Parts: sequence; C-alpha cells; structure tokens
Amino acid sequence: EVQLVESGGGLVQPGGSLRLSCAASGFTFSSYAMNWARQAPGKGLEWVSGISGSGITTYYADSVKGRFTISRDNSKSTLYLQMNSLRAEDTAVYYCAKSTTVVPDWFDPWGQGTLVTVSS
Amino acid sequence: QSVLTQPPSVSAAPGQKVTFSCSGSISNIGNNYVSWYQQLPGTAPKLLIYDNNQRPSGIPDRFSGSKSGTSATLGITGLRTGDEADYYCGSWDSSLSAWVFGGGTKLTVL
Repeated sequence: EVQLVESGGGLVQPGGSLRLSCAASGFTFSSYAMNWARQAPGKGLEWVSGISGSGITTYYADSVKGRFTISRDNSKSTLYLQMNSLRAEDTAVYYCAKSTTVVPDWFDPWGQGTLVTVSS
Repeated sequence: QSVLTQPPSVSAAPGQKVTFSCSGSISNIGNNYVSWYQQLPGTAPKLLIYDNNQRPSGIPDRFSGSKSGTSATLGITGLRTGDEADYYCGSWDSSLSAWVFGGGTKLTVL
C-alpha cells in the first residue's frame, strides 16, 4: 500500500524557518515525482512545489519562490520542504502528494497533512 | 483569485445528478489534462478523475469527467449524503510552469 506521512509542522514566528518531511513507502520512491501542496484554514488548495524523481528538476509557485526549497533523499524515501522567511500567509496544512512526472498530470495519493502556523 | 474558475457551491437532492464546472484557458485546461479531487470534511484530498475522464481503481462509475476546449466538467449521479465534500479541479499551466487548482466547489446533498 502506498503511504505518505508528513511531519515537521508546528508554530513558528514570522521570519522564521521550518523543515517539513514526507516519508514515503509502498512504491519505488526514486521513480516518481513528488509535490507539496497547502491549504490555508477555510481556504482552497494551493500547489506549492514539485520535484522530479532524480531531484534534478524542480518547480515552485510564485508565492514561495526564493523562500522555499524542495528536496528529496531517495536513499531514505523522504521528501523535504525547507521553508524560510515565513509569513503569516504561509499558515496552512501542508500535504505531500505523488505524481508520475515532474510536470504532473494528477496527484495520487496525498498524505494526511501537517499544520504550519506562522504567528508571533 | 484562482486561475481555474469553479462555482463556490452546488446542491442537489439524494439520488439526483449534479455537475461541477471548471473554466480555464488555453495555457492550462486547453492544452493539458484535467484532474478532479474530492475532499471530505477534515480529510486530505483524494483523486477522483485523472486525464480528463479516467477513474482510478476503486472510484465508482457514478463519477465521470469530461473536457471541452478550455472547460472541464465533473458529474456525479445517484447522489448520496456521503458525497458531501469540496471538489477541486486542477491542471498544469504551461505559461506559469506551475500546477493550478480551482477554488473548489462545496457540494451539499439536501
């Protein structure tokens, strides 16, 4: 069974940093692209970033470009999102999701999400 | 303001059929695949339709998808109270080099 489990969320002050992790199991991790998406409280879904299976190619939403960095460790089947210069508007549940290619056609499955709260 | 446009809400009675619209442009829906996601209250999104009209294994044939030009539609027949959820469309946007979601449509089964 394919499983994605996010961790690393929490409360951080504006301007601070946080690193999210997504542990994958049940599939050959290095063969698939991976993505982060988020959902602010009471709002819709927003795609954040994607990375190819090799880790060479990455894409970012304009809202996080220059502040967030996506990476992966294929030896550990783990996806990461390094978030710097955090703002109040980054408060959201962050989900990781698997896609077949780095230019995704769909996301399946999704993890259960981890909550990031940016507040003083 | 989402790149893909969805109505905020739809409602229908149990057993009825409902459709969800998703409107985009040539740079997203017009030239790329559309997928649809169901998000039940308090849970993570779940893939319902991929490649415009394909159902993943385990998704009943009550759910269907279609695409025409720069718009896509999700249909649900035989509505059940358990279908009450938020439904999102999504597609790659070749101009933005980014994935875009619609704002989501909340389904109420009366």
